[in-house]
Amino acid sequence: QVQLVQSGAEVKRPGASVKVSCKASGYTFSSFGMHWVRQAPGQGLEWMGWINVGDGDTEYSKKFQGRVTLISDTSATTVYMELSSLTSEDTAVYYCARPWLGTYFDKWGQGTLVTVSS
Amino acid sequence: SYVLTQPPSVSVAPGQTATITCGGNSIGTKSVHWYQQKPGQAPVVVVYDDSARPSLIPERFSGSNSANTATLTITRVEAGDEADYYCQVYTNSDQWVFGGGTTLTVL
Repeated sequence: QVQLVQSGAEVKRPGASVKVSCKASGYTFSSFGMHWVRQAPGQGLEWMGWINVGDGDTEYSKKFQGRVTLISDTSATTVYMELSSLTSEDTAVYYCARPWLGTYFDKWGQGTLVTVSS
Repeated sequence: SYVLTQPPSVSVAPGQTATITCGGNSIGTKSVHWYQQKPGQAPVVVVYDDSARPSLIPERFSGSNSANTATLTITRVEAGDEADYYCQVYTNSDQWVFGGGTTLTVL
């Protein structure tokens, strides 16, 4: 069955960077893209960007442009999301999500809590 | 940037019908997807492409989209439907947008 398994919780200092992984299994990895969505405590869902795993092409939310980088490793069937220059406002659960035929997100990872605190 | 507006909360008695709206400029020209999120869990799609329903989602969930409002309707509401609901669209500028979310409370 399709599974997206994310890396564990992280605690970072302000100004640092964080890298979260999302390992996919149960489907042809290179045939689907991957999105990243975050959710601050008690807040709504916020789209961050997506990567075309097949060719590495990316599209980022204007809000995160310049701070977020998505990378795919097809041999490891894993997508990485790196967010730099962290502030307390970046404390959130980060999700990877697979788009079905480029439309809605049909599979989600379990989420990774990133806490930014001094 | 494109904004999707949802009511913060909707309350309904068990067995009644819940209606959750999602407002956006000419949203009727876009495909709208709806997600259900329960506490501590990842979102799950309940309606996609305005009105289509994944196979595991009960028929009680339906959607519509016209002009400037998309609507998620849940008939015969059950206690297990209590959750946050989010609408989502893909905009012309290659950006995905979520609504602010609506908390459904079953009285």
